[in-house]
Amino acid sequence: KNEVEQSPQNLTAQEGEFITINCSYSVGISALHWLQQHPGGGIVSLFMLSSGKKKHGRLIATINIQEKHSSLHITASHPRDSAVYICAVTSYGNKLVFGAGTILRVKS
Amino acid sequence: NAGVMQNPRHLVRRRGQEARLRCSPMKGHSHVYWYRQLPEEGLKFMVYLQKENIIDESGMPKERFSAEFPKEGPSILRIQQVVRGDSAAYFCASSAGQGNEQYFGPGTRLTVT
Repeated sequence: KNEVEQSPQNLTAQEGEFITINCSYSVGISALHWLQQHPGGGIVSLFMLSSGKKKHGRLIATINIQEKHSSLHITASHPRDSAVYICAVTSYGNKLVFGAGTILRVKS
Repeated sequence: NAGVMQNPRHLVRRRGQEARLRCSPMKGHSHVYWYRQLPEEGLKFMVYLQKENIIDESGMPKERFSAEFPKEGPSILRIQQVVRGDSAAYFCASSAGQGNEQYFGPGTRLTVT
C-alpha cells in the first residue's frame, strides 16, 4: 500500500462544477502539499498546510490530522483548471512523498 | 526574483553516454531536492542536498547516479552510462530551509535512445 493515496485517479467535470480531490496518508507528517502539473509542464505548488484550511482564489485545501486526510476543492471549475493534481507529504527528513496524482479534465 | 532554473529543458543521450542536469535554486535558497518522474508513474524522491553536503540520498539508484551542490554554481545531477530506463522527467526543487515550502523548476526531460 502506498504511503499517500489519492482519489479519484481520473475526474471529468463540466465547467462551473464544484470539484473535490481526496488524499489519505498513512505516515506521520510535518506538512501536506497540493501541487498542480500541466501536461508536459512544470510543477506548481498550490498549498502547504499542516492544520486546518487554506484558501487561494477558487481553490480550498483542508486537512484533518487525526484522520490523516486532506481534500482539495475547486469552486466554479474552468477548463483552464484541467491538469494533474498531486498530493504530497513531508514525512521524516525533508523529502516529499507523492501520491499518484488525479487527472482532472474540465469540459466547457 | 527568478524561480528555480533547470537546464537543459530537454536532453537526448545515446545509451552509454553521460547526462548532466543542472539546477539553480531560487535566490536565497540553500536546500535543493531532486525528484524523478518516470513515464506513466508518479514522482519519486532522489536526493536532498545543502551547499556542499548530501543530506539524504536514500532515493538515488546505487550505481551510475551522483549529485552535488558545490559552494559556487548550480546543483548537478549526473547519470553515467545512461540506459533506456533512465528516460524520465527530472525535477529540481529548492527551499530556504528545512520544513520550508519547496519550489519546483520546470524539469529536464531526458530521452535515452
